[in-house]
Amino acid sequence: EVQLVQSGAEVKKPGESLKISCKGSGYSFTTYWINWVRQMPGKGLEWMGIIYPGDSDTRYSPSFQGQVTISADKSSNTAYLRWSTLKASDTAMYYCARGVRPYYYDPGGYWGQGTLVTVSS
Amino acid sequence: IVLMQSPGTLSLSPGERATLSCRASQSVNSTYLAWYQQKPGQAPRLLKYGASSRATGIPDRFSGSGSGTDFTLTISRLEPEDFAVYYCHQYGSSPWTFGQGTKVEIK
Repeated sequence: EVQLVQSGAEVKKPGESLKISCKGSGYSFTTYWINWVRQMPGKGLEWMGIIYPGDSDTRYSPSFQGQVTISADKSSNTAYLRWSTLKASDTAMYYCARGVRPYYYDPGGYWGQGTLVTVSS
Repeated sequence: IVLMQSPGTLSLSPGERATLSCRASQSVNSTYLAWYQQKPGQAPRLLKYGASSRATGIPDRFSGSGSGTDFTLTISRLEPEDFAVYYCHQYGSSPWTFGQGTKVEIK
């Protein structure tokens, strides 16, 4: 069974750093692209970027380039989303989502449960 | 590419037909247009992707059509579990983008 299990909710202060995770299982982790998607409270979906764990090829939306870092660790079948300096406006639910087909630059077919990040002083 | 969905909210009864629109600011290859369903407190669920592919486990009452800048998701007969928010998503041009969503609510 394909599963993407994300790390738990986080409460942080502005200026702090954070790294959240997304662990894949039940499939070949290195052969599917993984998307990251933001959903701010009560709002719609925003595509942040995508990574191919096989070679760490990463693409970012210009809206998120330089604001976050997407990475992956093949040895642990885990993708990551990292902030070096959080802002209150980073408060949101963050989802990882595995591409539909292996190797293809695909949208999310299997989704994690989401990680709620709250940034507040 | 900006995706504009209409209407913002669709109020219908179970058994009725739902027609959701997604209009793009530039032409989108229909091969790279997807639709998602999201219920409160849940992650989005992929309904359709590619030109005509229905995601695994999605009933055939969900169908997609369109080309160029105009796309439509049709739910032939609404079931109680279909009341949710629907998003279109283009993944043909970087950056990938989502529409703002259409809420299908019970009338």
